Amino acid sequence: DQQVKQNSPSLSVQEGRISILNCDYTNSMFDYFLWYKKYPAEGPTFLISISSIKDKNEDGRFTVFLNKSAKHLSLHIVPSQPGDSAVYFCAAIRGGYQKVTFGTGTKLQVIP
Amino acid sequence: GAGVSQSPRYKVAKRGQDVALRCDPISGHVSLFWYQQALGQGPEFLTYFQNEAQLDKSGLPSDRFFAERPEGSVSTLKIQRTQQEDSAVYLCASSLPRDSGNTIYFGEGSWLTVV
Repeated sequence: DQQVKQNSPSLSVQEGRISILNCDYTNSMFDYFLWYKKYPAEGPTFLISISSIKDKNEDGRFTVFLNKSAKHLSLHIVPSQPGDSAVYFCAAIRGGYQKVTFGTGTKLQVIP
Repeated sequence: GAGVSQSPRYKVAKRGQDVALRCDPISGHVSLFWYQQALGQGPEFLTYFQNEAQLDKSGLPSDRFFAERPEGSVSTLKIQRTQQEDSAVYLCASSLPRDSGNTIYFGEGSWLTVV
C-alpha cells in the first residue's frame, strides 16, 4: 500500500525554466510533508517542508504547495539549474514521532 | 562530525553471513531511525529509537534483523544469515524531538550487497 505516490519517475527541464514535481498521498492523517533531494551514492538531503495547516512554503528558488482537499503537493523549482539534477523524494509524517513515509522518487534532469 | 555518520559505506557479504552496520547520529539527537532503500525505490522505515529505547520495530522484515542503541547514541543494525533480498542501502537518520522541529537528517548510507 503506497501511501505516498510520485507518479512521474523522471522529468527533464531546460535550465532556467520551472521544474514542477508532483506528489499524491492517501493517508489523511499525515500532518507534515517534506521534500528530500538525493544525489547518487549519497543519503537524502532535506530540502523544504510544509505543515498541513499551510498551503504554501517558499525558500529561495524552492516552493512547496499543498492542496489538502486533493491530497496533493508539489515542489516548484525556479529557475532550474543543472546542479538541481538529482532524485527528489516526497515524504510525509503522521502525528507522534517523525516516522517518515517516502514516495518512490522522481529523477530530475536539468539540461544546460 | 557534524552529520550522521555510517559505516561501513560498502559491504559485500556472502549469503548466510552475519553483518553489522553502524550509525553515529548527530550529537544531541534523541531520535534515531533506520531505513532500507532498495534499488529504484524510496526509503522504507525499519525501526525507531528514542534515546536507548526502541519504540517501533514494525518495519523490520524478519527476525534476522536486529537493531540496538544501548547508550542512546551509536546504533547498530545487525542482519543475521544474510539473504540476497537483503541487498539494499541501509540509511540511518537522526532528529531532535518533534516539538523542536521536524527535520530528519540522513547519513550517506551503508550499501550492502549479498552474493
